[in-house]
Amino acid sequence: NAGVMQNPRHLVRRRGQEARLRCSPMKGHSHVYWYRQLPEEGLKFMVYLQKENIIDESGMPKERFSAEFPKEGPSILRIQQVVRGDSAAYFCASSPPIALNTEAFFGQGTRLTVV
Amino acid sequence: DAKTTQPPSMDCAEGRAANLPCNHSTISGNEYVYWYRQIHSQGPQYIIHGLKNNETNEMASLIITEDRKSSTLILPHATLRDTAVYYCIVRVGYGNKLVFGAGTILRVKS
Repeated sequence: NAGVMQNPRHLVRRRGQEARLRCSPMKGHSHVYWYRQLPEEGLKFMVYLQKENIIDESGMPKERFSAEFPKEGPSILRIQQVVRGDSAAYFCASSPPIALNTEAFFGQGTRLTVV
Repeated sequence: DAKTTQPPSMDCAEGRAANLPCNHSTISGNEYVYWYRQIHSQGPQYIIHGLKNNETNEMASLIITEDRKSSTLILPHATLRDTAVYYCIVRVGYGNKLVFGAGTILRVKS
């Protein structure tokens, strides 16, 4: 059973470009969480999604950031018009449906560098 | 979710047990204690979780006090590869988001 897969592992974007980060959850997992870790800082929750639904987006910046988890395919975190302050590691985690007694598993992250 | 308090850093000799404390004095009856670790900017790794009984798995043991206001993560034989930031998190049930604090930097030294 493959783990949570994130791609790309490293992404370089110029200021003003768009960044698309992908997260493929573990098999059987229908819940996805996105976190951001700025350099030398802790992990900050951004958004929690189930298939086709955003459950909690309390940690998402109000502008330029969006997330989706379609019925088919990976979850996408999209950052429009990137700025240098968006440079960070972005981690995705997945977990099974709530009824199951288990924990969330994390991917290895996408490191975004804005130049 | 209840807040947790952890020491900012700890040292441990290689081969000895590492005991990482966590205070969660405002924990509610239906909140679980989770432990994760992050090794050198890799993705966080799940270690163990529990509600009120002590738990053990192949990685660690979790000791929760009877009043549930604190817990201790025990790595029985620490190795250099256990050097990481350890996070104690309290959350309700499953499916709910994990809120990470600053954690404890554990340095295992030879």
